[in-house]
Amino acid sequence: AQSVAQPEDQVNVAEGNPLTVKCTYSVSGNPYLFWYVQYPNRGLQFLLKYITGDNLVKGSYGFEAEFNKSQTSFHLKKPSALVSDSALYFCAVSPFSGGYNKLIFGAGTRLAVHP
Amino acid sequence: EAGVAQSPRYKIIEKRQSVAFWCNPISGHATLYWYQQILGQGPKLLIQFQNNGVVDDSQLPKDRFSAERLKGVDSTLKIQPAKLEDSAVYLCASSGTSPQGTDTQYFGPGTRLTVL
Repeated sequence: AQSVAQPEDQVNVAEGNPLTVKCTYSVSGNPYLFWYVQYPNRGLQFLLKYITGDNLVKGSYGFEAEFNKSQTSFHLKKPSALVSDSALYFCAVSPFSGGYNKLIFGAGTRLAVHP
Repeated sequence: EAGVAQSPRYKIIEKRQSVAFWCNPISGHATLYWYQQILGQGPKLLIQFQNNGVVDDSQLPKDRFSAERLKGVDSTLKIQPAKLEDSAVYLCASSGTSPQGTDTQYFGPGTRLTVL
């Protein structure tokens, strides 16, 4: 079965420290990978995606993610966390089978950045 | 560029009542998606349209949920009759339609449904 795992329900980090939010996936073939962020009472905001090419993808608000095919992982990173980064983060994969690109989401990781 | 619009933002109904949600995608986006996000979970695709045709409704509970996208633009998702377990946020998203399927999905603010 196709699935996405975000092993941490919550990640706590001090402002100014680097952060990592983990994601692994189980999808056949060469899927496309995405990160979205959700603020309270808001929809999902697109951060970045990996389609092909360089394994390090840069996105919005200073976030980046590293694709590792052998470990089937796509971890989200940021060199220096801000309090305003506190939100719910979702990893998603698009199997793109049959020409249809639905997203399969993980359960989400809550990031708390403390001053 | 205007984003995906959804209404209403909040809805409270009694079980067995009916409810409808509306979505207006980003202009020019041929593909429209409805997702259900239950509290504490990631969004789950309910139905995907390409223009006004359904391309994936495999996870739509068709005995109570229906959706349409007339004229290939706006879409309506309906629940009739509602059950307690339908309490969730209903998210609409839209994207372009590249042959490689690499288009990003952009989401609306969602409709929070509470079924009492």
